[in-house]
Formats: sequence, structure tokens, C-alpha cells
Amino acid sequence: QQQVKQSPQSLIVQKGGISIINCAYENTAFDYFPWYQQFPGKGPALLIAIRPDVSEKKEGRFTISFNKSAKQFSLHIMDSQPGDSATYFCAASKETSGSRLTFGEGTQLTVNP
Amino acid sequence: GAVVSQHPSRVICKSGTSVKIECRSLDFQATTMFWYRQFPKKSLMLMATSNEGSKATYEQGVEKDKFLINHASLTLSTLTVTSAHPEDSSFYICSASEGGSWNTDTQYFGPGTRLTVL
Repeated sequence: QQQVKQSPQSLIVQKGGISIINCAYENTAFDYFPWYQQFPGKGPALLIAIRPDVSEKKEGRFTISFNKSAKQFSLHIMDSQPGDSATYFCAASKETSGSRLTFGEGTQLTVNP
Repeated sequence: GAVVSQHPSRVICKSGTSVKIECRSLDFQATTMFWYRQFPKKSLMLMATSNEGSKATYEQGVEKDKFLINHASLTLSTLTVTSAHPEDSSFYICSASEGGSWNTDTQYFGPGTRLTVL
């Protein structure tokens, strides 16, 4: 019940296109859903996060869509750029867990020039 | 945003030696710090959670006598890999959180430490 399932495992997008990564969770107690971006040899960096009280959050080219009833959330990267090529992880946690994050398996995004 | 540093960024050691990795929160006080291990092209595997001034909580399957964690202050946690062996070679990443409430439980990650045991 602690799993977060992420898809696709890898994604190739042309420059200027939209990248979409999906995650599904099982534990309805989760109430915080961050996305992290990781470049090779570096630690993950917080990209954007959402709470279940809203269905969408946008920051620049990055948007999280959240569907509470379906227990799904997704990351949309608009106007994808080669510099966005990285591994993206979704995660989830519940307030009572002391910030303990449950991570998805990651998506390797490649944006071709 | 909040900054977390790790030192060293890369370490090579001989089998049987111990290695200490430091994790520091530079501009905030971290009530909770986490240690992760990451294998190539894999997700992050939580090893342990540490709260300042108390013993770390280890995940199932993680040897607490092998991976010693100390969280002596609100800005510093250390992970010591004792009697390291080649199978301990990995990318170790820490994260830190102010904790306490919805607004402060975001985890900020360090840049990672690449450990190679010969």
C-alpha cells in the first residue's frame, strides 16, 4: 500500500514538445506529492509539488495535474528543451510520516534537439 | 531554496576501511535528515531516518552496525560505512527537512557521494 508506480520508464520527446510523466499511488493517506529532477551524478532537486486540495499547479513550463479520486498525478513539461533531459521521480508522503517519501521508479527523459 | 551539502563528493577506499560522509543543511535547521542509497539507473532507496539528538530509524534490511548514523546537531548528520566492502560501492544521498508541519516538511537533497570500495 506504500507503492508509487511511475510510467513510462523512459521517454523521448522532440524539442518544443510536451513531456508527460504519470504516477499512481495506493495509500489514500498520502497528502504531499513532489516531483524531483535528477541529473547524472547529482542529487535530486525539488521541481514542483502539490497538495491534494488543488487539482493543478503550474510553475513556469512545469505543471502537476492531480486526480484525487483516481489516485493519480502527472507532470507535464511544456516546450521541452534539451536541458530538461534528466531523470524525473515522483514521490508521495503523509504529514504524519515525518516527511518520509515514497518514490516512484523514475523516468529517463531525453529531449532531442 | 534550501541548500544541503555533502562531503566528500567522491571517495575511493580499500576494502575493510571505514568511510564517513557528512551532510549539512546550510541555511535552515533540519529536524530530520534522511540517508538514501541509489544504484545506477534506479530509484532512491531509503536507508534510515535520523532526528536530531535521537537514534536513527533504519529501514528493514539495512544493517545499523554497518551504516552508523549520527545526527548530532540541527545542521549536521553523518553516515559512516564501517568495514566497507566492494558491494557497498554506491551513490549515497542525504536529504534534510525542517519538519514539523505541512509547510516545512519538504525534503531537500544533497549532491550525493560516490563511494567506490576497491
